Amino acid sequence: NAGVTQTPKFQVLKTGQSMTLQCAQDMNHEYMSWYRQDPGMGLRLIHYSVGAGITDQGEVPNGYNVSRSTTEDFPLRLLSAAPSQTSVYFCATGEGPTSPLHFGNGTRLTVT
Amino acid sequence: RKEVEQDPGPFNVPEGATVAFNCTYSNSASQSFFWYRQDCRKEPKLLMSVYSSGNEDGRFTAQLNRASQYISLLIRDSKLSDSATYLCAVRGSGTYKYIFGTGTRLKVLA
Repeated sequence: NAGVTQTPKFQVLKTGQSMTLQCAQDMNHEYMSWYRQDPGMGLRLIHYSVGAGITDQGEVPNGYNVSRSTTEDFPLRLLSAAPSQTSVYFCATGEGPTSPLHFGNGTRLTVT
Repeated sequence: RKEVEQDPGPFNVPEGATVAFNCTYSNSASQSFFWYRQDCRKEPKLLMSVYSSGNEDGRFTAQLNRASQYISLLIRDSKLSDSATYLCAVRGSGTYKYIFGTGTRLKVLA
């Protein structure tokens, strides 16, 4: 039982490049979300999904796209990376509306 | 005003001490409350959910004060291994959005 798996663990991009951060879960959780964590800013919600085919924006969605074609996967796409997107990204899942979140190990992204 | 606020600390306490953190939230309709622990460069891990009547898990006690809109975490008999950042998380009514505080850093000193 892997829980929440994020890939890659580390990534360096040049400004303007695109990439997809992967998040996969094997807990059959309906809720999935992406956060970024920056020093002094805490965890900020980027996008979230309450089930396959349903996504919504969080606090800081600009520059990121998501889709949820299956229950298991919730990829986060950076269309044109900017240095301001240098951060640690966490995927988190939840069983239901009152349940706590389970986090993946994180992806450390640097945009130069 | 931020939706969820925490004192960033650090709180430096000796081993064996009792320490308490608060977390205030602005949305009075908030429904679910949690405390997470985060070690340096690691993912947050659930420490405990916070229930209306308060709850305890070993040396950790969590309480909710709806009237003043804050939750608290009390750690008794602090251990060196308790050194970490403690994050609170709040979910509003009718939403799946979980909002996190910026965290309170705890250092337990030998």
